[in-house]
Amino acid sequence: EAGVAQSPRYKIIEKRQSVAFWCNPISGHATLYWYQQILGQGPKLLIQFQNNGVVDDSQLPKDRFSAERLKGVDSTLKIQPAKLEDSAVYLCASRVPGQGMDEQYFGPGTRLTVT
Amino acid sequence: AQSVAQPEDQVNVAEGNPLTVKCTYSVSGNPYLFWYVQYPNRGLQFLLKYITGDNLVKGSYGFEAEFNKSQTSFHLKKPSALVSDSALYFCAVRDRGSTLGRLYFGRGTQLTVWP
Repeated sequence: EAGVAQSPRYKIIEKRQSVAFWCNPISGHATLYWYQQILGQGPKLLIQFQNNGVVDDSQLPKDRFSAERLKGVDSTLKIQPAKLEDSAVYLCASRVPGQGMDEQYFGPGTRLTVT
Repeated sequence: AQSVAQPEDQVNVAEGNPLTVKCTYSVSGNPYLFWYVQYPNRGLQFLLKYITGDNLVKGSYGFEAEFNKSQTSFHLKKPSALVSDSALYFCAVRDRGSTLGRLYFGRGTQLTVWP
């Protein structure tokens, strides 16, 4: 089966610009996650979707970050305006519906550099 | 609060020697525990998980991990290391009592296996 797809793989922008990342999860995976991985740290959850509804966005900086999953399949994460500290790898992951013990499957990530 | 500690930023071993990558966790309830591996410019790949039952869990590529409830640890092990095992390893924990299902990751341990 195809894995989690993400695009673009790399993005360089200047601070105060806007950027969007796209994720297409594994077919049939109802749960979708966006993580931020800053260099030297582990991934930190930004937002979790169950189908097209938000389950957890408590760690999402809502003044500049937004995400949507309108049809319950692919998802877009946006940053507007970007700050230098947003430089990181943005990982998308998905999981089958289950009772929580199922592992998450990760995409290759988008490496964002803000200058 | 949930948290994961990986006390070693780097682990270096010779090929053919046994390896251990350490992980300790803190959760308010009983844990689900996971190990992921990350190769350069790629997303995280699932290695193994502890849900319940036998404290010794076997996973992909010959890796295993031992759950120790009294020490709140979940160390990753392999009897004989390969150069191709060189990568960044992340331990993650989820509180099985949580309805949100968020994974908390450690900061990662860079494993280097030299020939």
